Amino acid sequence: DVKVTQSSRYLVKRTGEKVFLECVQDMDHENMFWYRQDPGLGLRLIYFSYDVKMKEKGDIPEGYSVSREKKERFSLILESASTSQTSMYLCASSLEPGQTLYNSPLHFGNGTRLTVT
Amino acid sequence: RKEVEQDPGPFNVPEGATVAFNCTYSNSASQSFFWYRQDCRKEPKLLMSVYSSGNEDGRFTAQLNRASQYISLLIRDSKLSDSATYLCVVMDSNYQLIWGAGTKLIIKP
Repeated sequence: DVKVTQSSRYLVKRTGEKVFLECVQDMDHENMFWYRQDPGLGLRLIYFSYDVKMKEKGDIPEGYSVSREKKERFSLILESASTSQTSMYLCASSLEPGQTLYNSPLHFGNGTRLTVT
Repeated sequence: RKEVEQDPGPFNVPEGATVAFNCTYSNSASQSFFWYRQDCRKEPKLLMSVYSSGNEDGRFTAQLNRASQYISLLIRDSKLSDSATYLCVVMDSNYQLIWGAGTKLIIKP
C-alpha cells in the first residue's frame, strides 16, 4: 500500500518564522505535489515536481518554495510565515511505473494543519 | 466563475436511500474526471475515475455528460459509512488537476 508521510500533523508558528514541511513517499512515484486546503475552496496547488531537482509553480506559489533533492522527498518551505498561510497542507504523490498521467491517482499524506499566529 | 463547481451541501439522507450529486466544469477541453472522498479531518482518497460511457463500482455509479459539461455520482443503498465530503476533480489539457470544493454528505440512521 502506498504510504505518503508528512512530518507533522499539527504545527504552530509565529509570523515571520521560516517553516519547513516535509513529505516522504515510499512507492517510487515520479510526481509529488503540495496543496493547501481551506474551507469552501477546492484544493489549491502550490508547487509540484515531476522529477528530482525539478519543480514547477502551481496556482498559488507566492510565499512558498520547494525542494526535491531525492525522489522520495518533497519539502515545502514558507520563507516568512504569515497569518494568511494558516491552512491545512496536503502532500501527494502519483505515477507509478506503467501508469499514465490519465490513470494515475493521487495518494495523499494525512496533512499538516499549520497555524501562524 | 469557478472552473469546477459543486453544491457544498450538506445533503442529509436517510440510511438506505439513493443520493446523487453533480459537478460542473467550465473547460470543454478537460480530459479526465475523478471522484475523491474525504472523511472529516482526513486526507482525500480516490473513490473512482469517471469514464465516458459511465461506470459502476458496487453501489457507486459515475456518469459524464460532455455536452453539458458535468459529471455525477450516484450512491445507492447508502450506508452510515458513506458520510464524507465528495470531491470532484477534473484534469485539464495540460494534465493539471482542478478540484471542486466538495459536497458534504451526511447519512442518518
